[in-house]
Amino acid sequence: QQPVQSPQAVILREGEDAVINCSSSKALYSVHWYRQKHGEAPVFLMILLKGGEQKGHEKISASFNEKKQQSSLYLTASQLSYSGTYFCGTSLAGAGSYQLTFGKGTKLSVIP
Amino acid sequence: DTAVSQTPKYLVTQMGNDKSIKCEQNLGHDTMYWYKQDSKKFLKIMFSYNNKELIINETVPNRFSPKSPDKAHLNLHINSLELGDSAVYFCASSQGGLAGGPPREQYFGPGTRLTVT
Repeated sequence: QQPVQSPQAVILREGEDAVINCSSSKALYSVHWYRQKHGEAPVFLMILLKGGEQKGHEKISASFNEKKQQSSLYLTASQLSYSGTYFCGTSLAGAGSYQLTFGKGTKLSVIP
Repeated sequence: DTAVSQTPKYLVTQMGNDKSIKCEQNLGHDTMYWYKQDSKKFLKIMFSYNNKELIINETVPNRFSPKSPDKAHLNLHINSLELGDSAVYFCASSQGGLAGGPPREQYFGPGTRLTVT
């Protein structure tokens, strides 16, 4: 039930792009993306709903492929401030609640 | 103004003790959560609660119990603490987010680092 994130870690130079994937073996209703900086709380980035559109947040956007039960987070022209661990959280289609199950996270490091 | 606050920020205690962590949100949200983040940074839902239902993750030992005196507070009480309980505990809140409405963004508190010795 826990979504699988890939890669586990990635190192980028400022200005480079990255893609983080989140996949599930079960049908999903929603995918949530959060970023957590070291020693801080997770911060909400965006939600993608089944049947919804690709979302964007500054230079960070995401898509949701319902057929593949997969979401991808796109980070464009990365900045130092993008460093942190990115978590996807998923809720299941047809479940009694929208309780989230988080993946193990992808650690992103942006270097000058 | 802090949206979601937790006390204490750090908690060091011995095995077998009972402790509580307090959480308060001033966002007017109706749903609150407790998460446990272990040393490998795995973020795991423990409880989801609004005024209509409590959802307990089946893997949570019954030594853990949420207590909600009102809509703005959800405290976590832990009995007979064990070494494996050492982790960072996050409280979060959202407007809706459980059954009956669309999923919503969650706002997390700063976390409580619990160390059991």
